[in-house]
Amino acid sequence: RKEVEQDPGPFNVPEGATVAFNCTYSNSASQSFFWYRQDCRKEPKLLMSVYSSGNEDGRFTAQLNRASQYISLLIRDSKLSDSATYLCVVNIPDDYKLSFGAGTTVTVRA
Amino acid sequence: GAGVSQSPSNKVTEKGKDVELRCDPISGHTALYWYRQSLGQGLEFLIYFQGNSAPDKSGLPSDRFSAERTGGSVSTLTIQRTQQEDSAVYLCASSPGRQPSSANTGELFFGEGSRLTVL
Repeated sequence: RKEVEQDPGPFNVPEGATVAFNCTYSNSASQSFFWYRQDCRKEPKLLMSVYSSGNEDGRFTAQLNRASQYISLLIRDSKLSDSATYLCVVNIPDDYKLSFGAGTTVTVRA
Repeated sequence: GAGVSQSPSNKVTEKGKDVELRCDPISGHTALYWYRQSLGQGLEFLIYFQGNSAPDKSGLPSDRFSAERTGGSVSTLTIQRTQQEDSAVYLCASSPGRQPSSANTGELFFGEGSRLTVL
């Protein structure tokens, strides 16, 4: 079983719509969670960390469900510039490497 | 620039040739990572350096792969006798601390990658 699994999508949504997707992780000891964004043929960049109580950063909301071992990302009022692949990233204590999912592709159309 | 720099950005080689990929991390970052990304796949961890030491090389796919880091800065990833399945984008990342966590934002700073194509 992969450490981090994501629905690859693509999610095709109109501008202004809300889109949400999940990611599941296999290691119950995981403690740190992140969403990275990767534009086409570009390097991944940190979008936001995910905290236990859930957190918002502008139009982006991330939530963590430890019991079911998944995290989610919700994008409100989608912009064309939100088109990208969103990578779910997980870290376990005392492990120096981040485990990356394969990504969920979001395409926002005019 | 101030970011992670990788070279070459693109490399096309013939099967059986050796290739060397270079990474110049952000100045002062002690941790350096190599990941590999194949088309439509997630990032596959290869190796991690803390300073010049590589505590874990278990991610390297085979003994044809090796990496070193000198002076706590530049790192090179060498692939010997390349095979077609080695074709991928090789990403280098650095971070200031020992372990990415929510406490230190968990941010790895990636270079733009070296796209390797083995014919």
